[in-house]
Amino acid sequence: DADVTQTPRNRITKTGKRIMLECSQTKGHDRMYWYRQDPGLGLRLIYYSFDVKDINKGEISDGYSVSRQAQAKFSLSLESAIPNQTALYFCATSSGQDAYEQYFGPGTRLTVT
Amino acid sequence: QKEVEQNSGPLSVPEGAIASLNCTYSDRGSQSFFWYRQYSGKSPELIMFIYSNGDKEDGRFTAQLNKASQYVSLLIRDSQPSDSATYLCAADTGRRALTFGSGTRLQVQP
Repeated sequence: DADVTQTPRNRITKTGKRIMLECSQTKGHDRMYWYRQDPGLGLRLIYYSFDVKDINKGEISDGYSVSRQAQAKFSLSLESAIPNQTALYFCATSSGQDAYEQYFGPGTRLTVT
Repeated sequence: QKEVEQNSGPLSVPEGAIASLNCTYSDRGSQSFFWYRQYSGKSPELIMFIYSNGDKEDGRFTAQLNKASQYVSLLIRDSQPSDSATYLCAADTGRRALTFGSGTRLQVQP
C-alpha cells in the first residue's frame, strides 16, 4: 500500500461548491503539507502543519482551509470553489529529523467548471 | 521576482551526454537546497540535496552550490532516456517549509 494516499484522485465540481480533498499517511511523519501545481508555476504551498495543533498558511492560502484531524490525516477544503482553483493538488509529508525530504502523494486533479 | 527561478526548458540532450540544470535563488538566508524529479503524471521525488558550497556527488548525479552567486545546479552524467522528466529545484527559505521553482523539463534523445 502507498505510504501517502490522496482521495479523490480526480474530481470535477461546479463553481460555488464546497469540496474536501483528503490525505492520509502511514509513514509516521509529523509534518504534512498541501501544494497546488499549475503549468509553468511549479509547486506552490497552500498550508502546512507540523503537528495536530500547529497549522500554518503558505504562500497561497486564500480560498482554502485545512484540518489536521490526526497525525496521519490532513484535509484541504475549498469552501466555495472557483475556476482558477482548477489544478493538480499534492499532499506531502516529512519527518521532524529530515524535514525537507518530503514524500508526496499521487495527487488529486481538480477541475472547477 | 520569484524566490527560486529555473528555466522552464525543455532542455534537450542526446543520450550519454551531460545534462546541466540550473537554479537561482533570491533569499541569501536560504541554507539548503533540494532537487526533486517529477515524471509526467507522477508526483515529485527527492533525488539530491545540498547544504554546503561546492559539489556533492551521488552516482550519475552531482549537485553544485555557490552561495556567493546564489546559484544551484544539477548535473546528470551519461544521461539516459529514463532521465527525461521535470526537475524541480527547492530552497529552504527559513519559513519552515520549502519554496519550489517552476521546474525545468529535460528531454534525453535516444
